[in-house]
Amino acid sequence: GAVVSQHPSRVICKSGTSVKIECRSLDFQATTMFWYRQFPKQSLMLMATSNEGSKATYEQGVEKDKFLINHASLTLSTLTVTSAHPEDSSFYICSASKGSMNTEAFFGQGTRLTVV
Amino acid sequence: DQQVKQNSPSLSVQEGRISILNCDYTNSMFDYFLWYKKYPAEGPTFLISISSIKDKNEDGRFTVFLNKSAKHLSLHIVPSQPGDSAVYFCAATGTAYKYIFGTGTRLKVLA
Repeated sequence: GAVVSQHPSRVICKSGTSVKIECRSLDFQATTMFWYRQFPKQSLMLMATSNEGSKATYEQGVEKDKFLINHASLTLSTLTVTSAHPEDSSFYICSASKGSMNTEAFFGQGTRLTVV
Repeated sequence: DQQVKQNSPSLSVQEGRISILNCDYTNSMFDYFLWYKKYPAEGPTFLISISSIKDKNEDGRFTVFLNKSAKHLSLHIVPSQPGDSAVYFCAATGTAYKYIFGTGTRLKVLA
C-alpha cells in the first residue's frame, strides 16, 4: 500500500508553546488529508479535513485557531497545536487519500504529544 | 452522535478458530466501508474494504460482509492467529470523503 510518513512520532512541549506535526505522502499525491485525535482506549476522532490549496474543514467542536492546518502541497499537510495545554496531550494521526471515491485512506504512524 | 459503532470493546478467540468482529452504522449515505488494524502507538493499517454495491469481499483469511438493510457489517478472520491480536476499527465513508471510525474492538487470539 501507499506510504504516509508522520513526524515527529513523539514530542514533549511546555504549556503555552506551539508544536508542529508534519504528514507526508511519500509515493502518491494526496489531494485530501485528514487529521485525527485518539484519546486512550477511544476511537479515532476526526478533527479536520484538509484539501490541497484550500482551507481545512473542521469538525464541530474543534477550534480552528488552536489547531492550525496547512496543506500547502499535494504531499504535505501540517497540524500546528498553538498555545498547547496539558489537555491537548493526545495521540494525533494523519491520513491521506488519493482523492477518488471508494478508496482506502493511508495512515501515518501517529504522534504522541505530551504537554507539561 | 456516534455514526459508526462497534458494540464489543473486546473479544477473545482461540487460535485456529474464527474471529467475528461486528460494526453498525446509522448514516445511510455511507457507501464504502473499511476495516483497519491498529497496534498501540501506531497508525492504523488498512485490512479490507467493501463497497455498498457488494455484500461480501474476501481477501485471504479476511472476509467482510455487508448487510445494508440492517446497516451492519462484520469482519471474519479464519483461522485466527496470535499475530492477529490488535485493535480493529471499522470505518465508513461517503461522498463527503470523510472517514468516520467506530470505537474499536480489541481482539486477543489465544495460543
